[in-house]
Amino acid sequence: EVYLVESGGGLVQPGESLRLSCTASGFAFSSYAMTWVRQAPGMGLAWVSGISVSRISLSGGDTHYADSVKGRFTISRDNSKNTVYLQMSSLRAEDAAVYYCAKSSSSSWNAAFDMWGQGTTVTVSS
Amino acid sequence: SYDLTQPPSVSVSPGQTASITCSGDKLGDEYAYWYQQKSGQSPVLVIYEDTKRPSGIPERFSGSNSGNTATLTISGTQPMDEADYYCQAWDRNTGVVFGGGTKLTVL
Repeated sequence: EVYLVESGGGLVQPGESLRLSCTASGFAFSSYAMTWVRQAPGMGLAWVSGISVSRISLSGGDTHYADSVKGRFTISRDNSKNTVYLQMSSLRAEDAAVYYCAKSSSSSWNAAFDMWGQGTTVTVSS
Repeated sequence: SYDLTQPPSVSVSPGQTASITCSGDKLGDEYAYWYQQKSGQSPVLVIYEDTKRPSGIPERFSGSNSGNTATLTISGTQPMDEADYYCQAWDRNTGVVFGGGTKLTVL
């Protein structure tokens, strides 16, 4: 069975950093693009970042970001650990949300998201 | 930026057909995807590439996409279908885009 388990959420102050992790099991992680989607309290889904599959590097892949996080967030993956990361810096109050990790249905980051984790909560407050 | 517009809410009686629309400029030129999110749960893919159902999704869920509008149709709606539904598409400038979501009430 396919599992995605996020971790790393917590309470931080504005301007601080946080790294989220998403560990996958039950599928060939290195063959699929991965993405992060967030959901602020009472709000809808918002795409954050995606990373495709690299055919050269074990940990590479094209990366893509929403304008709202570009320059502050960095997505990466370690295929040897079946894990995708989201490094978040210069956090703002508006970044507070549940962050979901999702598996793409293909090696491309802009395909369907066919499996989602349970989410990890990020709170940004002074 | 690219926007997808959904009605905030749709109501349907049990056993009837529910239709949820998603509008965006030339949306029919791209694939549309639909996700179901029940209260307190993670989203679940219910329609991909406009019309396809993932394994395990009931046949009563169907989709279409043409022109500027994609539509999710639930035939013979059941109380268990009550949830928030989000459409999603891809824009080459914006990236992945989600609609604002539609709350489906079965009453």
